[in-house]
Amino acid sequence: DAGVTQSPTHLIKTRGQQVTLRCSPKSGHDTVSWYQQALGQGPQFIFQYYEEEERQRGNFPDRFSGHQFPNYSSELNVNALLLGDSALYLCASSGWTATATDTQYFGPGTRLTVL
Amino acid sequence: DAKTTQPPSMDCAEGRAANLPCNHSTISGNEYVYWYRQIHSQGPQYIIHGLKNNETNEMASLIITEDRKSSTLILPHATLRDTAVYYCIVRGRGSQGNLIFGKGTKLSVKP
Repeated sequence: DAGVTQSPTHLIKTRGQQVTLRCSPKSGHDTVSWYQQALGQGPQFIFQYYEEEERQRGNFPDRFSGHQFPNYSSELNVNALLLGDSALYLCASSGWTATATDTQYFGPGTRLTVL
Repeated sequence: DAKTTQPPSMDCAEGRAANLPCNHSTISGNEYVYWYRQIHSQGPQYIIHGLKNNETNEMASLIITEDRKSSTLILPHATLRDTAVYYCIVRGRGSQGNLIFGKGTKLSVKP
């Protein structure tokens, strides 16, 4: 059973550019959450997608947007990149199954560097 | 802000039990205690969660006090691969239940 996958692994962009990160949830999961983790800090919640809609959002500007597809995979888009957007971007999936609650399982992350 | 308080760092000898404490004095009746760990630059790994009762799985045991204001994660036989940052998180279920991470406890397992 494949876990949560993310692509790309690493990415380098320059200020002002736009970036798209991708996430495929664990099999059987229908909910995807995105987190940003700056160096030396704990992950911070960006937003969550369920049934192709943004269900909940953290304290992030509108430059951060997302999308969920019918197959439950998701994208995180960041426009007008700033140096401070350099971070590890984590995707977590969750869903109700016969044996588990809505525990979130994380992917390996995408390391974004903005120069 | 995180609803939990953890010591910033702990050491443990390899092969011994690692006991990681967490205070969550403002926990609500319907909130769970979750534990994750993060090995350097990897995604957080789910360990265990509980509501009231003590829980055990193949990775660890979770002991929650009767008043639910604190808990302890126990790694029964720590190995060098258990060196990581451990996060204790309080969360509700469903759409209100996104994870709010604090700074966690950096556990160093030493040979």
